[in-house]
Amino acid sequence: DTEVTQTPKHLVMGMTNKKSLKCEQHMGHRAMYWYKQKAKKPPELMFVYSYEKLSINESVPSRFSPECPNSSLLNLHLHALQPEDSALYLCASSQDEGTGTEAFFGQGTRLTVV
Amino acid sequence: AQSVTQLDSQVPVFEEAPVELRCNYSSSVSVYLFWYVQYPNQGLQLLLKYLSGSTLVKGINGFEAEFNKSQTSFHLRKPSVHISDTAEYFCAVTAIYSSASKIIFGSGTRLSIRP
Repeated sequence: DTEVTQTPKHLVMGMTNKKSLKCEQHMGHRAMYWYKQKAKKPPELMFVYSYEKLSINESVPSRFSPECPNSSLLNLHLHALQPEDSALYLCASSQDEGTGTEAFFGQGTRLTVV
Repeated sequence: AQSVTQLDSQVPVFEEAPVELRCNYSSSVSVYLFWYVQYPNQGLQLLLKYLSGSTLVKGINGFEAEFNKSQTSFHLRKPSVHISDTAEYFCAVTAIYSSASKIIFGSGTRLSIRP
């Protein structure tokens, strides 16, 4: 199994809503990532978890809150988002950090904030 | 600090023609380099990677890339493209810090294939 599964595939939410994005992998990877991708742009790193601990936060606004309940799951909790937060949110995982192993990406969640 | 530059934002080619997508990197330390492909409305898929060893790397779908340390380049090539190769291609480098590492992407090159 070399899949990273993200749910939901699409999400529309209002600016006062609270929602969560979910990501799951069963490859035994110990590093997991959240990226944000706007249209016609490259993915931008948001967070990195290594061995279930947050190791990188790229100065992401607090309305985005990551959580890693266990080594297979990664969540991104959303609250009070703005329309400019509309984007494709990609989850990825890799064997671990620092070894140059490739990241495996999910299909993404397309988020629209209205 | 590591960075990646993709020199062409768009590359149009005819079907069955060869193609080269250019990528230059900047790094003061050892690098790990990758090419990813993204089809419309999908996630990213790894085409190939360079970690060490042979400078010519072969990947999936007939793509290959050559690591050139003196020119700090990692250009992607395919001798004959197909309509199905139409996609966005990202060159990437792993930046390794004391406590973590992260993948840094270039701005992307849109490959469009004309019949």
